[in-house]
Amino acid sequence: GAGVSQSPSNKVTEKGKDVELRCDPISGHTALYWYRQSLGQGLEFLIYFQGNSAPDKSGLPSDRFSAERTGGSVSTLTIQRTQQEDSAVYLCASSLLLQDFYGYTFGSGTRLTVV
Amino acid sequence: QKEVEQNSGPLSVPEGAIASLNCTYSDRGSQSFFWYRQYSGKSPELIMSIYSNGDKEDGRFTAQLNKASQYVSLLIRDSQPSDSATYLCAVNMGGFGNEKLTFGTGTRLTIIP
Repeated sequence: GAGVSQSPSNKVTEKGKDVELRCDPISGHTALYWYRQSLGQGLEFLIYFQGNSAPDKSGLPSDRFSAERTGGSVSTLTIQRTQQEDSAVYLCASSLLLQDFYGYTFGSGTRLTVV
Repeated sequence: QKEVEQNSGPLSVPEGAIASLNCTYSDRGSQSFFWYRQYSGKSPELIMSIYSNGDKEDGRFTAQLNKASQYVSLLIRDSQPSDSATYLCAVNMGGFGNEKLTFGTGTRLTIIP
């Protein structure tokens, strides 16, 4: 697509429920990243995909968080047994990695509220 | 020590003046540097990239890099009210094969009409 697409744009869930957040990167972009941004805070790295593999999962805050990417395209971030501290904007970004790195393009984010 | 540091602001600049935003980073081996602009309630938008020491100009924006001092800056000339936003400094600390941006917490810039 023309840009990075994320869905849903907003999600309100009850504490303890599982949620799935979806990211559709720019067509042809091989690298995909998940970050989260809490209110008034900076961007916190979660996980990085190159193709379908995740060489860097170092930012996932707990084993309740998991992510997968299939077909080198769409990625899903799953949060199990959500907690109130999971409330944040979850941002997905993609990048075309060739010999040089040109930064990445963010989607519009999913605002997750755990009540 | 934070890996990428920025003054949080707020930084207030009169319309038409030059806004100067600064950033320092901890990893001496970092090779690529970026500035993102984030309007309130929106996602970050890439506005500048810089890879070599010196200045890089793009319209009203100039990025400056000094690897010896581990310092990156962004100058905005002829500041406009539409430049009011949070500016995020981002540094690629991942290395080849693990390109990953580490972000500063951002500087909130307000342009005063």
